[in-house]
Amino acid sequence: QSVLTQPPSVSGAPGQRVTISCTGSSSNIGAGYDVHWYQQLPGTAPKLLIYANSNRPSGVPDRFSGSKSGTSASLAITGLQTEDEADYYCQSYDSSLSGWVFGGGTRLTVL
Amino acid sequence: EVQLVESGGGLVKPGGSLRLSCAASGFTFSIYSMNWVRQAPGKGLEWVSSITSTSSYIYYADSVKGRFTISRDNAKNSLYLQMNSLRAEDTAVYYCARLGATGDTFDIWGQGTMVTVSS
Repeated sequence: QSVLTQPPSVSGAPGQRVTISCTGSSSNIGAGYDVHWYQQLPGTAPKLLIYANSNRPSGVPDRFSGSKSGTSASLAITGLQTEDEADYYCQSYDSSLSGWVFGGGTRLTVL
Repeated sequence: EVQLVESGGGLVKPGGSLRLSCAASGFTFSIYSMNWVRQAPGKGLEWVSSITSTSSYIYYADSVKGRFTISRDNAKNSLYLQMNSLRAEDTAVYYCARLGATGDTFDIWGQGTMVTVSS
Protein backbone atom coordinates (compact mmCIF):
# COMPACT_ATOMS: atom_id res chain seq x y z
CA GLN A 1 0.00 0.00 0.00
CA SER A 2 2.66 2.48 -1.08
CA VAL A 3 1.67 6.09 -1.63
CA LEU A 4 3.07 5.94 -5.16
CA THR A 5 1.85 3.04 -7.32
CA GLN A 6 4.14 1.08 -9.61
CA PRO A 7 3.58 -2.19 -11.49
CA PRO A 8 5.21 -5.07 -9.58
CA SER A 9 7.06 -6.31 -12.63
CA VAL A 10 7.92 -5.61 -16.24
CA SER A 11 9.97 -7.56 -18.72
CA GLY A 12 11.55 -7.21 -22.12
CA ALA A 13 14.03 -8.81 -24.46
CA PRO A 14 17.54 -7.46 -24.94
CA GLY A 15 17.47 -4.40 -27.17
CA GLN A 16 13.82 -3.65 -26.55
CA ARG A 17 12.22 -0.67 -24.82
CA VAL A 18 10.26 -0.85 -21.57
CA THR A 19 8.47 1.74 -19.49
CA ILE A 20 7.67 1.78 -15.78
CA SER A 21 4.82 3.92 -14.53
CA CYS A 22 4.50 5.70 -11.21
CA THR A 23 1.08 7.01 -10.20
CA GLY A 24 0.57 9.43 -7.35
CA SER A 25 -2.04 11.92 -6.22
CA SER A 26 -2.77 15.59 -5.69
CA SER A 27 -0.66 15.68 -2.52
CA ASN A 28 2.54 14.49 -4.14
CA ILE A 29 3.22 14.30 -7.89
CA GLY A 30 0.05 16.23 -8.75
CA ALA A 31 1.03 18.98 -6.32
CA GLY A 32 4.07 19.71 -8.44
CA TYR A 33 6.72 17.84 -6.48
CA ASP A 34 9.47 16.33 -8.58
CA VAL A 35 9.76 12.60 -9.21
CA HIS A 36 13.05 10.76 -8.87
CA TRP A 37 13.99 7.23 -9.87
CA TYR A 38 16.38 4.74 -8.27
CA GLN A 39 17.89 1.51 -9.52
CA GLN A 40 18.62 -1.25 -7.01
CA LEU A 41 20.72 -4.10 -8.36
CA PRO A 42 20.40 -7.42 -6.49
CA GLY A 43 22.03 -7.28 -3.06
CA THR A 44 23.12 -3.65 -3.35
CA ALA A 45 21.99 -0.23 -2.14
CA PRO A 46 19.71 1.93 -4.29
CA LYS A 47 21.39 4.27 -6.76
CA LEU A 48 19.97 7.53 -8.08
CA LEU A 49 19.04 7.03 -11.73
CA ILE A 50 16.87 10.03 -12.67
CA TYR A 51 16.34 13.21 -10.65
CA ALA A 52 13.85 16.05 -11.01
CA ASN A 53 11.64 14.10 -13.40
CA SER A 54 13.97 13.84 -16.37
CA ASN A 55 17.58 14.55 -15.43
CA ARG A 56 20.36 11.96 -15.41
CA PRO A 57 23.23 12.12 -12.91
CA SER A 58 26.70 11.92 -14.37
CA GLY A 59 27.50 8.39 -15.50
CA VAL A 60 23.94 7.23 -16.13
CA PRO A 61 23.53 6.12 -19.77
CA ASP A 62 21.13 8.07 -21.96
CA ARG A 63 19.22 4.81 -22.48
CA PHE A 64 17.42 5.83 -19.28
CA SER A 65 14.91 8.68 -19.44
CA GLY A 66 12.13 10.05 -17.30
CA SER A 67 9.00 12.09 -17.75
CA LYS A 68 6.18 13.48 -15.64
CA SER A 69 2.64 14.54 -16.43
CA GLY A 70 -0.18 15.38 -14.06
CA THR A 71 -0.23 12.91 -11.20
CA SER A 72 2.01 10.36 -12.92
CA ALA A 73 5.56 9.81 -14.05
CA SER A 74 7.34 7.26 -16.21
CA LEU A 75 10.78 5.76 -16.55
CA ALA A 76 11.78 4.51 -19.99
CA ILE A 77 14.67 2.20 -20.72
CA THR A 78 15.71 1.68 -24.32
CA GLY A 79 18.16 -0.82 -25.75
CA LEU A 80 17.62 -3.20 -22.82
CA GLN A 81 20.72 -4.95 -21.53
CA THR A 82 20.99 -7.91 -19.18
CA GLU A 83 22.72 -5.71 -16.61
CA ASP A 84 19.54 -3.60 -16.39
CA GLU A 85 17.86 -6.41 -14.43
CA ALA A 86 17.07 -4.72 -11.13
CA ASP A 87 14.36 -3.22 -8.98
CA TYR A 88 13.32 0.33 -9.87
CA TYR A 89 11.70 2.76 -7.44
CA CYS A 90 10.07 6.14 -7.97
CA GLN A 91 10.14 8.73 -5.19
CA SER A 92 8.57 12.10 -4.47
CA TYR A 93 7.49 14.29 -1.56
CA ASP A 94 4.01 14.19 -0.05
CA SER A 95 2.60 17.34 1.54
CA SER A 96 -0.17 15.50 3.41
CA LEU A 97 2.33 13.15 5.05
CA SER A 98 5.03 15.84 5.37
CA GLY A 99 7.61 13.35 4.22
CA TRP A 100 9.30 11.63 1.34
CA VAL A 101 7.45 8.72 -0.28
CA PHE A 102 8.46 5.83 -2.52
CA GLY A 103 6.68 3.61 -4.96
CA GLY A 104 6.43 -0.09 -4.15
CA GLY A 105 9.13 -0.91 -6.69
CA THR A 106 9.13 -2.62 -10.08
CA ARG A 107 11.27 -5.65 -10.87
CA LEU A 108 12.65 -5.56 -14.39
CA THR A 109 13.43 -8.90 -16.00
CA VAL A 110 15.46 -9.00 -19.20
CA LEU A 111 14.37 -12.15 -20.98
CA GLU B 1 35.42 9.39 -2.93
CA VAL B 2 32.01 10.34 -1.60
CA GLN B 3 31.02 7.65 0.88
CA LEU B 4 28.52 6.79 3.60
CA VAL B 5 29.21 3.83 5.88
CA GLU B 6 26.56 2.57 8.31
CA SER B 7 27.21 0.51 11.41
CA GLY B 8 25.46 -0.63 14.57
CA GLY B 9 22.93 -3.09 13.22
CA GLY B 10 22.26 -6.45 14.83
CA LEU B 11 19.76 -8.71 16.54
CA VAL B 12 17.63 -7.19 19.30
CA LYS B 13 14.58 -8.40 21.22
CA PRO B 14 11.18 -6.72 20.88
CA GLY B 15 11.05 -3.69 23.12
CA GLY B 16 14.81 -3.29 23.00
CA SER B 17 17.01 -0.46 21.74
CA LEU B 18 19.74 -0.01 19.17
CA ARG B 19 21.80 2.93 17.95
CA LEU B 20 22.84 3.14 14.31
CA SER B 21 25.71 5.28 13.06
CA CYS B 22 26.63 6.58 9.62
CA ALA B 23 30.12 7.89 8.87
CA ALA B 24 30.40 10.32 5.98
CA SER B 25 33.50 11.11 3.93
CA GLY B 26 34.47 12.76 0.67
CA PHE B 27 32.08 15.72 0.93
CA THR B 28 31.23 18.64 3.22
CA PHE B 29 28.88 16.77 5.55
CA SER B 30 27.86 19.86 7.51
CA ILE B 31 25.99 21.51 4.64
CA TYR B 32 23.71 18.63 3.70
CA SER B 33 20.45 17.34 5.15
CA MET B 34 20.71 13.64 5.94
CA ASN B 35 18.21 10.82 6.11
CA TRP B 36 17.54 7.26 7.16
CA VAL B 37 15.65 5.01 4.73
CA ARG B 38 14.81 1.38 5.48
CA GLN B 39 13.92 -1.72 3.49
CA ALA B 40 12.22 -4.70 5.12
CA PRO B 41 13.27 -8.12 3.74
CA GLY B 42 11.81 -8.56 0.26
CA LYS B 43 9.96 -5.25 0.49
CA GLY B 44 10.26 -1.74 -0.90
CA LEU B 45 11.94 1.40 0.39
CA GLU B 46 10.50 3.42 3.28
CA TRP B 47 11.73 6.86 4.34
CA VAL B 48 12.27 6.91 8.13
CA SER B 49 13.69 10.25 9.24
CA SER B 50 15.41 13.42 8.07
CA ILE B 51 17.60 16.04 9.75
CA THR B 52 18.69 19.37 8.28
CA SER B 53 22.32 20.48 8.14
CA THR B 54 22.35 22.30 11.48
CA SER B 55 19.78 20.01 13.14
CA SER B 56 17.27 22.85 13.10
CA TYR B 57 14.54 20.74 11.57
CA ILE B 58 13.86 17.06 12.16
CA TYR B 59 11.17 14.92 10.57
CA TYR B 60 9.93 11.38 11.15
CA ALA B 61 7.65 8.92 9.41
CA ASP B 62 4.52 8.23 11.44
CA SER B 63 5.61 4.59 11.81
CA VAL B 64 8.61 5.55 13.97
CA LYS B 65 7.54 8.84 15.56
CA GLY B 66 8.03 8.82 19.32
CA ARG B 67 10.31 5.76 19.21
CA PHE B 68 13.23 6.79 16.98
CA THR B 69 15.51 9.81 17.35
CA ILE B 70 17.76 11.13 14.59
CA SER B 71 20.81 13.23 15.39
CA ARG B 72 24.12 14.29 13.89
CA ASP B 73 27.58 15.47 14.88
CA ASN B 74 29.02 17.68 12.16
CA ALA B 75 32.41 17.79 13.88
CA LYS B 76 32.61 14.01 13.52
CA ASN B 77 30.90 13.84 10.09
CA SER B 78 28.44 11.40 11.57
CA LEU B 79 24.71 10.70 11.52
CA TYR B 80 22.89 8.64 14.15
CA LEU B 81 19.57 6.89 14.67
CA GLN B 82 18.56 5.93 18.19
CA MET B 83 15.86 3.28 17.98
CA ASN B 84 13.82 2.47 21.10
CA SER B 85 10.79 0.25 21.74
CA LEU B 86 11.70 -1.83 18.73
CA ARG B 87 9.07 -4.00 17.10
CA ALA B 88 9.24 -6.97 14.73
CA GLU B 89 8.06 -4.70 11.92
CA ASP B 90 11.18 -2.56 12.34
CA THR B 91 13.25 -5.45 10.97
CA ALA B 92 14.96 -4.05 7.88
CA VAL B 93 18.14 -2.90 6.24
CA TYR B 94 18.68 0.69 7.30
CA TYR B 95 20.34 2.99 4.78
CA CYS B 96 21.90 6.35 5.44
CA ALA B 97 21.20 8.70 2.51
CA ARG B 98 22.23 12.24 1.64
CA LEU B 99 19.59 14.71 0.50
CA GLY B 100 20.96 16.27 -2.66
CA ALA B 101 21.27 19.91 -3.61
CA THR B 102 17.74 20.00 -5.04
CA GLY B 103 16.48 19.28 -1.54
CA ASP B 104 14.21 16.37 -2.36
CA THR B 105 16.28 13.56 -3.83
CA PHE B 106 18.55 11.03 -2.13
CA ASP B 107 21.71 11.29 -4.19
CA ILE B 108 24.20 9.28 -2.12
CA TRP B 109 23.44 6.06 -0.23
CA GLY B 110 25.41 3.91 2.18
CA GLN B 111 25.62 0.13 1.89
CA GLY B 112 23.11 -0.39 4.70
CA THR B 113 23.10 -2.12 8.08
CA MET B 114 20.69 -4.93 9.00
CA VAL B 115 18.47 -4.66 12.07
CA THR B 116 16.60 -7.77 13.15
CA VAL B 117 13.99 -7.54 15.90
CA SER B 118 13.13 -11.02 17.15
CA SER B 119 12.79 -12.94 20.39
